[in-house]
Amino acid sequence: EVQLVESGGGLVQPGRSLRVSCAASGFSFDEHAMHWVRQVPGKGLEWVSGITWNSGTIVSADSVKGRFTVSRDNAKNSLYLQMNSLRPEDTAMYFCVKDRVRWSSGFDAFDIWGQGTMVTVSP
Amino acid sequence: DIQMTQSPSSLPASVGDRVTITCRASQTISTHLHWYQQKPGRAPQLLIYAAFSLQRGVPSRFSGGRSGTDFTLTISSLQPQDFATYFCQQSYSSPPTFGQGTRLEIK
Repeated sequence: EVQLVESGGGLVQPGRSLRVSCAASGFSFDEHAMHWVRQVPGKGLEWVSGITWNSGTIVSADSVKGRFTVSRDNAKNSLYLQMNSLRPEDTAMYFCVKDRVRWSSGFDAFDIWGQGTMVTVSP
Repeated sequence: DIQMTQSPSSLPASVGDRVTITCRASQTISTHLHWYQQKPGRAPQLLIYAAFSLQRGVPSRFSGGRSGTDFTLTISSLQPQDFATYFCQQSYSSPPTFGQGTRLEIK
């Protein structure tokens, strides 16, 4: 079964750091780009960061650029998001997402989503 | 960034209705447009990719269309399990961007 399981969310104070992780199984993790997408409960979807299969291309949204860093470890079938200098507006559910296309230098549709990990930034 | 504008934001409908949701891109995106369904408390699920292609396991009552920079998601005969929120997303250029969502509600 194809599965993405996020972990590491929680309550954190403004200005602090947090790292969330995603464990992938059931597919060839090292062949696909991966992403983080966030959603404030009851609101829309915001793409946060993406990384190609070989880490050759790493892109982040302007809203997190310079503060968040996406990385992956293909040997461990794992995706990470290091979040520094957290702000209250970063409060959201963070989804780990698999890109549909294999070995692409760009991004495509998001065909598998994890259940998400909630990050709350509050004093 | 490419802006994606969905309409309507809310759509009351009944079981058996044919409904269409529209997504307009702020510039050309070819067919790099995808549709997702999200139910409360759940992660989004991919319905249609590349404007027209049905994701494996998605019922054939869902279909996608395109006219220039306008894209449509049509449900031919609404089923009770289709009441949810739908999002479009473009992957033509980075950053990938989503529409604001359309909530399909029971009339």
